[in-house]
Order: sequence, then structure tokens, then C-alpha cells
Amino acid sequence: AQTVTQSQPEMSVQEAETVTLSCTYDTSESDYYLFWYKQPPSRQMILVIRQEAYKQQNATENRFSVNFQKAAKSFSLKISDSQLGDAAMYFCAYRPFYTGANSKLTFGKGITLSVRP
Amino acid sequence: GAVVSQHPSRVICKSGTSVKIECRSLDFQATTMFWYRQFPKKSLMLMATSNEGSKATYEQGVEKDKFLINHASLTLSTLTVTSAHPEDSSFYICSAKGTGYNEQFFGPGTRLTVL
Repeated sequence: AQTVTQSQPEMSVQEAETVTLSCTYDTSESDYYLFWYKQPPSRQMILVIRQEAYKQQNATENRFSVNFQKAAKSFSLKISDSQLGDAAMYFCAYRPFYTGANSKLTFGKGITLSVRP
Repeated sequence: GAVVSQHPSRVICKSGTSVKIECRSLDFQATTMFWYRQFPKKSLMLMATSNEGSKATYEQGVEKDKFLINHASLTLSTLTVTSAHPEDSSFYICSAKGTGYNEQFFGPGTRLTVL
């Protein structure tokens, strides 16, 4: 079974600084998807970034980028120029590559990020 | 695009009553819908997966007679918490996936409080 580990329960960053959130996972599959989701106080789950395991290039979305190390099974999220609106809970998630209807997301425990003004 | 709604956003009910939560995909056909439960400051726990027109698949430890899931159309799934008790109080989130999409789209969640 796949597992996703986020070992840091909380982190804090100064506004405008950069922060990196860690995630490791375990799978025997060679192809899969990895995601970072943001859950602000409203509790709406928002997709931040997606990485396909078969792509060597790290995904980026504006101020958000990932460091995907497939061999190490590591998938960290870097937030640059942190903003107050980035304060939220962040979840790392894994999904098998096959697009069968029941391909499920496996979530990590999440990390609470606070941003200091 | 790809918007998922949930109704109600909040519900308070008495112990022993049943509560129905609706999950709708507004602008796409959801072949699969997922139901999650989330406790404060915790991760999402998958309860069940439902495919349109067939029985839901429940995760281990989730009582199917307690949490009834129906996915009668490609845009609507419902979760009914039967004979609710205070320990059922939680935040329930649905997500939907459609053909051609590589991701699930999440609803805004429903906060259930059982008195």
C-alpha cells in the first residue's frame, strides 16, 4: 500500500521569505501523480501543484515549485515570496497513474503553515 | 471550470435523526465521487468511493449501513448519515472526478454537528 509522510506538523515563515514543506512517500509503482493541496481556514481544498512521476522536470506554478526526487521518493514544496494568504494547512497527496475511476488519493497528515507579517 | 458544490454547508441535528448531504458537479459529469471525513487539524480520511449507477465501495472500518451513499446521476451524489450520534459530528468533504480529468475537484465541505 502507498503511504505519504509529512513529518513536520507545523512551520512558520516570515512574509516575503521562502519556505519549503517536506513530503516523502512510499510506492512500488513507477508511474503515479503527486499533488500538493492547500486548505485555508475556509476548509476548501485547493490544488496548488501537480507532478507526474514520469516527468523529470519539476513542476512550477508562479510562486510555488516542487523538488521531485523520484529515487529518494521525496516531493517537497517551495513557496517563494510568502504572503499572508499562504497561511493554511498543506497536504501532500499521491495517486496511482492509471486513470481508472477508483484511483484514490492518499494524503499525508498535513502541515500547518503560518506566515508572520 | 470544474466546480463542485455541497449542500448544506452546515447542519445541526438531534441525536437519532438522519441527515442527508448533497454533492453536485456543476459543470462536468462526475463518473466518480469520493466522500471524506475530516477532524479538526487532521487529514482527510476517505470513507467511500461511488460510481454513477453502482454501489459505493466503502473503506475498511466505515459502516455502510450508517453512511449511505447514493450516486444516482452523473452530477449528484448524496451521503446520508443515519441515526446520527454526537461522535458522527465532523466535517464531511466530497470530491468528484470526470472522464479526461487527472485530478479530483473538491466541494467546500459540510460541517455536521449532532447534539
